[in-house]
Amino acid sequence: QSVLTQPPSVSAAPGQKVTISCSGSSSNIGNTYVSWYQQLPGTAPKLLIYDNDKRPSGIPDRFSGSKSGTSATLGITGLQTGDEADYYCGTWDSSLSAGVFGGGTKLTVL
Amino acid sequence: EVQLVESGGGLVQPGGSLRLSCSASGFTFSGYALDWVRQAPGKGLEYVSAISSNGGSTYYADSVKGRFTISRDNSKNTLYLQMSSLRPEDTAVYYCVKCSGVVPVYGMDVWGQGTTVAVSS
Repeated sequence: QSVLTQPPSVSAAPGQKVTISCSGSSSNIGNTYVSWYQQLPGTAPKLLIYDNDKRPSGIPDRFSGSKSGTSATLGITGLQTGDEADYYCGTWDSSLSAGVFGGGTKLTVL
Repeated sequence: EVQLVESGGGLVQPGGSLRLSCSASGFTFSGYALDWVRQAPGKGLEYVSAISSNGGSTYYADSVKGRFTISRDNSKNTLYLQMSSLRPEDTAVYYCVKCSGVVPVYGMDVWGQGTTVAVSS
């Protein structure tokens, strides 16, 4: 059971938009920044969003992040088949004094 | 270019020990906290342990506390994870991850390619 809660899967057609939610608590998301990671099949995770809504260089602006209270959201517009991957939210939990992740969301581009 | 290269994985019997290493390059190693994150076959990411930039503070998931020890050698740009009393549920790919700041609370930004640990008799 993950500390952060994500939907197991989402799907949408190419060109459409999808959002992935990440729910936590006051000791984690409500207390610090959230990051999002993309894991393409057979590869290591890669940072997609940091500090709730910032994109590292090289990440297209089709990817966006937001946070409100104890929840965060990843948005992907203009979906491409190459976006099919597992997406994870992550942050620090001050009560656990440890990093925490969501269980991951598998994105299928139909 | 920031690079993290893990090594030391392999097959070990339950109750055994293993030491993972992570060799880093492309950034000021002593200026950043580092993490170990693992992923069991077909499962999601699981935080394992973290260490501050100067090695003065360490953090562990409850699942490995008392069995795993994280350490770093800033003169060798290398991170370690000493794993003992290994269990089958420790079987996973272990990733070395660079944090964004001097302590792990600032989040993770660069991931290594991982090294595989299999615990089985």
